[in-house]
Amino acid sequence: LAKTTQPISMDSYEGQEVNITCSHNNIATNDYITWYQQFPSQGPRFIIQGYKTKVTNEVASLFIPADRKSSTLSLPRVSLSDTAVYYCLVGGGGYNKLIFGAGTRLAVHP
Amino acid sequence: DTGVSQDPRHKITKRGQNVTFRCDPISEHNRLYWYRQTLGQGPEFLTYFQNEAQLEKSRLLSDRFSAERPKGSFSTLEIQRTEQGDSAMYLCASQGTYGYTFGSGTRLTVV
Repeated sequence: LAKTTQPISMDSYEGQEVNITCSHNNIATNDYITWYQQFPSQGPRFIIQGYKTKVTNEVASLFIPADRKSSTLSLPRVSLSDTAVYYCLVGGGGYNKLIFGAGTRLAVHP
Repeated sequence: DTGVSQDPRHKITKRGQNVTFRCDPISEHNRLYWYRQTLGQGPEFLTYFQNEAQLEKSRLLSDRFSAERPKGSFSTLEIQRTEQGDSAMYLCASQGTYGYTFGSGTRLTVV
C-alpha cells in the first residue's frame, strides 16, 4: 500500500477555500485515492474518492494530476463545522484494509 | 440503514480487568474491521472479518486481544488483563459495495 504524506495542520477562515495536498509517490496503477474526514469522538467519514483528473461532489473536489503522484482535496467556502482531521488514503478497490497516516488537522476560524 | 453501532461509547476500567466491546455493522455488509486510534494519530488496523471468518490480524493484536464475529453478524472485541497502554478509541467499520462506514467508536480508559 502506497504511503502518503500530507501537512500536519492547516488554518483557515470561514468562507475561504481550503486546499489540502497529499503526496503519494509510490501509487500503484490500480490504486484509488480516498479522503476521509474525522471529527472528535467520531469515526472517519468518507468524503470523496478518485482515480484521475477531477472528481466533484456536494462536499468537495478532488484534483489528481496526470502522474497521480499527488492529489489535492479542495473544500469550498469552509465553515466552522469543517474543523476536523482530514486523511488521504491510497489503495486498490475491493477488500483492502485502510491504512491511515496522521492526517491534516484543519482549524477554521471565525 | 442505521449505520454502524458500537457499544459502549465509553468504558473506564482498572488495570488488569477484562473488557468487551460490541460492534453491530450495517446488516448487508459482510466485511467488518476493527481499528484502534490513540490521541493525535490516525486509526490503526487491528483485524478483519469476512462474514464469520477472521481473515487477518495485525501484529498490534497481542494475545490479550481476541475478536469474534459469530454468525457473521455483530462482532466483539475483548481485551484481557488491560494495561494503561490499551487506553484508546476502538473503532469498528463495515464495508459494503460503496465503501466503508465507521462507527463512533468505544473510548477505553484504563486507570
